[in-house]
Amino acid sequence: AQKITQTQPGMFVQEKEAVTLDCTYDTSDPSYGLFWYKQPSSGEMIFLIYQGSYDQQNATEGRYSLNFQKARKSANLVISASQLGDSAMYFCAMREPSGGSYIPTFGRGTSLIVHP
Amino acid sequence: DGGITQSPKYLFRKEGQNVTLSCEQNLNHDAMYWYRQDPGQGLRLIYYSQIVNDFQKGDIAEGYSVSREKKESFPLTVTSAQKNPTAFYLCASNREALSNQPQHFGDGTRLSIL
Repeated sequence: AQKITQTQPGMFVQEKEAVTLDCTYDTSDPSYGLFWYKQPSSGEMIFLIYQGSYDQQNATEGRYSLNFQKARKSANLVISASQLGDSAMYFCAMREPSGGSYIPTFGRGTSLIVHP
Repeated sequence: DGGITQSPKYLFRKEGQNVTLSCEQNLNHDAMYWYRQDPGQGLRLIYYSQIVNDFQKGDIAEGYSVSREKKESFPLTVTSAQKNPTAFYLCASNREALSNQPQHFGDGTRLSIL
C-alpha cells in the first residue's frame, strides 16, 4: 500500500483564487512529520510547509496553509490567492521512524497550472 | 551561501558504462539522500547515509552504488547493471534524520542513455 497518496494528477486554478491539493497518508506510528514541496519546471525541490503529528494547530506559511485532519490521515495543502508563479508540481511527503531514522516517503505529485 | 551542488546537470551514458553523479553540500548536514524521479512516479529513494562511512539501501538500490568518505560528499554511481537508468536524479540532505527536518535539495542531474 502507498504511504502517501495524491489523487489529483493535475489541477487548474484561476489566478487570485484559492486551490486545495489533496494528500492522504498511511502510518501506524504516532510520531511522524508531513511536508509539502514545490518543484518548478527547472527541477529543484522547494520546501513549503511542515506539520508535525503532535501539532495542535494547522501549519501556515504566508499563502500556504496545511489542512491537517489527523483522524482522516489527510494533510491537504491550501494555496490562497494563486499566482502565475505557483504553476509547478507539488509533492506531499512524510517522515516516519524506520530503524532509528526517519525515512522520507514522497507521493506521486500534483501538477498545478494557474491560468491568468 | 550554503547549499547542495549536483554535477553534471546533464549526463549521457553508453551501454555497459558506469557513470558517477556528484553531490556536495556545505550545510554541515549529517544525513544525505539520493532519489530517482521518473515522470508520474514522484521521488523514489535509492540510498541514504546518516553519517560518514555508513549508508543504507533505499527502495530501489539495485544497479546503484554510493560512498560517504566525507561529510560533504555523497557520490552516486549508476552501474551497467542498472538497465533503465534514464531519469532525473536528486540529491538531498538535512541536519540529522529527525522527523521535523525538511530536506534541502540540489538542482538535479538528468541522465540519459546514448
